Amino acid sequence: DGGITQSPKYLFRKEGQNVTLSCEQNLNHDAMYWYRQDPGQGLRLIYYSQIVNDFQKGDIAEGYSVSREKKESFPLTVTSAQKNPTAFYLCASSIVDRVAHNQPQHFGDGTRLSIL
Amino acid sequence: QKEVEQDPGPLSVPEGAIVSLNCTYSNSAFQYFMWYRQYSRKGPELLMYTYSSGNKEDGRFTAQVDKSSKYISLFIRDSQPSDSATYLCALQTRDDKIIFGKGTRLHILP
Repeated sequence: DGGITQSPKYLFRKEGQNVTLSCEQNLNHDAMYWYRQDPGQGLRLIYYSQIVNDFQKGDIAEGYSVSREKKESFPLTVTSAQKNPTAFYLCASSIVDRVAHNQPQHFGDGTRLSIL
Repeated sequence: QKEVEQDPGPLSVPEGAIVSLNCTYSNSAFQYFMWYRQYSRKGPELLMYTYSSGNKEDGRFTAQVDKSSKYISLFIRDSQPSDSATYLCALQTRDDKIIFGKGTRLHILP
């Protein structure tokens, strides 16, 4: 089945530690995205990438880093500089179609990150 | 004025009722409209996607867009307990800017 796989489902971070969240998709989508979801707030965009080896900051990129070495993979690192990392992190992907209409994003099932 | 407004609920309705969920927006640049359903501890699941004013139907779900009033709705007919979830609207511009509503929590009472 095609889809987006996020791992791990739950992750705990110690003070001063960097942690990496995995996102893999087998939908052959060009674009991938990372969002953060906090209670009572909408999804906020952290980083996005529309092509391999290129990515752009979203609205709340500070304290996070990404890489896009393969089309299928878009890992997110939450660095120690992110002072409030406890949240539900969602990865999404979409087709990039410049000719026809924009295509909607499809999401993985998220990683819940907590501070120890 | 916020770009997208969505009542957080919770909205509780009896099983079998018609549910109406709504979002209003302020930016006329939004051209693509989506509704997602999100169960607890899961990612959002795309329910409906449309880019024109009017109605789009898929099974028990109908998405309605009124660009002149900047108002979108999702109707659920014959609601079931399994429809209990948070529903997110999402609006996107042609240059890929996307804004999500904060979501409406829906409870269908058996």
